[in-house]
Formats: sequence, C-alpha cells, structure tokens
Amino acid sequence: KQEVTQIPAALSVPEGENLVLNCSFTDSAIYNLQWFRQDPGKGLTSLLLIQSSQREQTSGRLNASLDKSSGRSTLYIAASQPGDSATYLCASTGSGGSNYKLTFGKGTLLTVNP
Amino acid sequence: EAGVAQSPRYKIIEKRQSVAFWCNPISGHATLYWYQQILGQGPKLLIQFQNNGVVDDSQLPKDRFSAERLKGVDSTLKIQPAKLEDSAVYLCASSYRGNQPQHFGDGTRLSIL
Repeated sequence: KQEVTQIPAALSVPEGENLVLNCSFTDSAIYNLQWFRQDPGKGLTSLLLIQSSQREQTSGRLNASLDKSSGRSTLYIAASQPGDSATYLCASTGSGGSNYKLTFGKGTLLTVNP
Repeated sequence: EAGVAQSPRYKIIEKRQSVAFWCNPISGHATLYWYQQILGQGPKLLIQFQNNGVVDDSQLPKDRFSAERLKGVDSTLKIQPAKLEDSAVYLCASSYRGNQPQHFGDGTRLSIL
C-alpha cells in the first residue's frame, strides 16, 4: 500500500525567500507524481505533473523534481510571494492496471509573510 | 470550459440523519471520483467511476455510503445514517480518462452535530 509523507507540515517564510517542500513515497512503481495547491474552502488545483520517466517539471517560479529510486519529490518555489500562501499537496498515481489511483500526503501549509 | 460543479457547498446535519451530495463533471470526462478530506489530511479516494461503472470502491464504507452515476454523467454520493466521524469535505473530481489529470470541484463541507 502506497504511503505519501510530506515534510514540513507547516512553513512560514518572509516574502522573497526561496523555499523547498518535500514529499516521499514508499512504492516507487508510480505512473506519475503531482503537486497540488489548495486554498481555504476550495478544491485542488494541479500545479505540476511529473511522469515517471521524467526528472523534473517547471512552471514559472515553480520547479518540481522526482527521484523514483529514492522515493522522493521536491517542490521548489522561487522568490515567494504572499499570494503563494496555501496548502501544498503531493500525490502519487499508482500504475496498477486500469485504476490510476491518487494517493495524497497530508500537505504542507505555507504562509508567506509580507 | 466549465469546471466540476458540486452542490451544496455546505451542509450541517445531526448524526443518524441522511445527506446527499451532487457532482456534475466536466463535459466529456468519462472518469469521476469522490474523495473524502478530513481536516488536516489529504483527500482519500472513496469511489471511482468509469462512465457509469464502478472501477474502485475499496475504501467506501458500504454500510452507510452509496454512490451512483446514472447515464455516466452526474453523480450523487449519499450517507445514511451519518456518524460524527463523517465530518469532512467531500470532493468530486473528473478526468477525460483514468490516466489523465484530474480536475477538482470546490467540494461540499459536511458538519455532523
């Protein structure tokens, strides 16, 4: 059974700082790895999706890396802004049969202070 | 394109009552998911539909939860009777196919008194 762990559970940084969020997973047989953002009272917005054959993906100030062999992924946020404040969730997609099942971590609550 | 629509946004009921949630996926999306997100946790998959057939309901508490997706479009999730531990946000998501990215609705926040 896949287990996804995110560290830290919460992070508070001043505006402008670069930061790294960590995600680890126990089963390396994944189809892909996704990072989501969740604002209070809202659903999940997909930020980056890394296929199992890829090492990283970039979108603007966000960069996500994937190391399947070690069961780790990181989300790097450059020059953080108050608008980046949200919960960030990591999820692995299982590769078993026709059931591409997402397994989520508990998330990292990020606060960027002006 | 319109996103995944869910209603109601909020629901407060007493334990042992019943409640139903509704989801309308993105047009053309064959796969539909219901997730339960307890405060401080990541979402947990309850049930996955492919068109109107169930693909995975292994984590659905079938003694009290039921879900259907008639005609392979809209879906309803029902809880009867509700327990205190069912207090959570219920998220619906859809994807074009099972291996495509999922798009999430804003969820229904359920509080059990």
